[in-house]
Amino acid sequence: AQSVTQLDSQVPVFEEAPVELRCNYSSSVSVYLFWYVQYPNQGLQLLLKYLSGSTLVKGINGFEAEFNKSQTSFHLRKPSVHISDTAEYFCAVSDMILSGGYNKLIFGAGTRLAVHP
Amino acid sequence: GAGVSQSPRYKVAKRGQDVALRCDPISGHVSLFWYQQALGQGPEFLTYFQNEAQLDKSGLPSDRFFAERPEGSVSTLKIQRTQQEDSAVYLCASSLAPGYNEQFFGPGTRLTVL
Repeated sequence: AQSVTQLDSQVPVFEEAPVELRCNYSSSVSVYLFWYVQYPNQGLQLLLKYLSGSTLVKGINGFEAEFNKSQTSFHLRKPSVHISDTAEYFCAVSDMILSGGYNKLIFGAGTRLAVHP
Repeated sequence: GAGVSQSPRYKVAKRGQDVALRCDPISGHVSLFWYQQALGQGPEFLTYFQNEAQLDKSGLPSDRFFAERPEGSVSTLKIQRTQQEDSAVYLCASSLAPGYNEQFFGPGTRLTVL
């Protein structure tokens, strides 16, 4: 079964500093990878996704992630964070159910990004 | 509506009560998913619908959990005889078609069982 590991449960950072949120997955087959953001009392919003092609994926709000197949990683980065980036971030892998042709998401436990002034 | 909506947003139940959680997906979306998010954890898959057909219920934790989508649009997740361990946020997500990779999430229903 596929699994996702987010190595840091909390990441404190000062405003305008760079940040990296780490994500590793376990899979022996082609995968689709996602990063979602969850603001307090809200649902999940898609930041970016990797399906195929270029390993560097750019998303919304200035975030980007790099797919590394050899290291089975999909780390999220932002060169300069804002106070408004304070939220919970979830990495997910898509588990393709071939018999039904649908994808269900397997999520990591999440990383709480806290941006301080 | 423009997005996925869920109601109620918050629900407090006494242990042993039955609850029903509603999800309104994006109009025209064929696929509908329910996830359970315990405190401090990532969402975990519960069940999947393709139109009105429930194709996957492998994530439902017990036979007290039941979901339906009778007309292929609105879905209801029902929990019978609620237990404290059922306390969680229940998220609904919809997707345009079965092979479509992006799922759109609702705001969730926070269930607290006392």
